[in-house]
Amino acid sequence: AQKVTQAQTEISVVEKEDVTLDCVYETRDTTYYLFWYKQPPSGELVFLIRRNSFDEQNEISGRYSWNFQKSTSSFNFTITASQVVDSAVYFCALSEAVTGANNLFFGTGTRLTVIP
Amino acid sequence: DAGVIQSPRHEVTEMGQEVTLRCKPISGHNSLFWYRQTMMRGLELLIYFNNNVPIDDSGMPEDRFSAKMPNASFSTLKIQPSEPRDSAVYFCASSGQGWTDTQYFGPGTRLTVL
Repeated sequence: AQKVTQAQTEISVVEKEDVTLDCVYETRDTTYYLFWYKQPPSGELVFLIRRNSFDEQNEISGRYSWNFQKSTSSFNFTITASQVVDSAVYFCALSEAVTGANNLFFGTGTRLTVIP
Repeated sequence: DAGVIQSPRHEVTEMGQEVTLRCKPISGHNSLFWYRQTMMRGLELLIYFNNNVPIDDSGMPEDRFSAKMPNASFSTLKIQPSEPRDSAVYFCASSGQGWTDTQYFGPGTRLTVL
């Protein structure tokens, strides 16, 4: 079974629009971490955020914000006032205590295109 | 502090040739991971090391693939013989020892096997 589902394969928005990238995860573990990574056209994977299962507090970093809801097993990522530089593939990932040693289960990614 | 370093960044080779990918993890990190990214399969974990010891290599596709970590600052992923279906981007990542630690990725090696 897919542990991390990113149902949105591709999203296009016009610059300055807000956009939310969805991430739904599946785990039986009570202790786990969720991550978002960004992969710009240059190809590297850039770490954005990590959130543990005991901390449902939303986080904001500049134009980025993350909404973690255990009740719906979701960890959504919102970009406010999108910019062309936000164009990238965004990956959500999960690591579980039960598997140990920070095995990361990645979603299939959402390709975001910001149109100028 | 330098991030994860991978070399080469691009590799083009012919089917049947041996390919060696290299990785230098972030200094002080105890865990090292090799991933492969393809359009069809996305990001797949191939193998990971903890304190230079291979812990799980269940993701290694077949015997043609091997990985080593002779010391804390160097790892190799070798494909011998290479096949066209091995064409992919190979990422190395490193993290601290705990499972809660974040993995930081290198820039990747784009491998093309003709």
